[in-house]
Amino acid sequence: GAVVSQHPSWVICKSGTSVKIECRSLDFQATTMFWYRQFPKQSLMLMATSNEGSKATYEQGVEKDKFLINHASLTLSTLTVTSAHPEDSSFYICSARSLAGGWGNEQFFGPGTRLTVL
Amino acid sequence: QQQVKQSPQSLIVQKGGISIINCAYENTAFDYFPWYQQFPGKGPALLIAIRPDVSEKKEGRFTISFNKSAKQFSLHIMDSQPGDSATYFCAASTSGGSNYKLTFGKGTLLTVNP
Repeated sequence: GAVVSQHPSWVICKSGTSVKIECRSLDFQATTMFWYRQFPKQSLMLMATSNEGSKATYEQGVEKDKFLINHASLTLSTLTVTSAHPEDSSFYICSARSLAGGWGNEQFFGPGTRLTVL
Repeated sequence: QQQVKQSPQSLIVQKGGISIINCAYENTAFDYFPWYQQFPGKGPALLIAIRPDVSEKKEGRFTISFNKSAKQFSLHIMDSQPGDSATYFCAASTSGGSNYKLTFGKGTLLTVNP
């Protein structure tokens, strides 16, 4: 149980286009979903936190107009990178926190999406 | 300000040896301390986690040792195997108001030689 999927697993796009990444909790309802960015050989950097039906909370330095997050249901959150540029190329990872059971703090991570902007 | 400091940055261990990774934190409000394992090109996977009301937790070959007074916690991998070669991240979070956001260490690249 506690599986999180991401789609697509990798995407290549041209500079100036927008890219949407989906994050789904497959077998549980997620109170909160998180979006991270990871550069090669670096740690995960939290970009934003989203709760179902609410506006996302962005970390300092993350452009909310560039990284649009929608958390439409308890099992789906999307990250849209708008007007992507080569510097947006990175590994994007989502995680989800379960509504019920466990410790509450536990986050289940998706497999990540590799974005390359040409 | 880095709130969770992880060391070493990289570690090479022989098969069958013990791998030890250390983390130190500053925020005394942290009450959940997980360790994640990440293989190249994959998302992190939870290995083991601990709360500050216990000093040690063991799951199979993985053990977390926790020292609340020193604000330190460590991961011990017993009988290390080549398949354990990965990047390990410690993390910490608080319950409740902060939405349970995780603060990650910078990671340790573990290589287990056969």
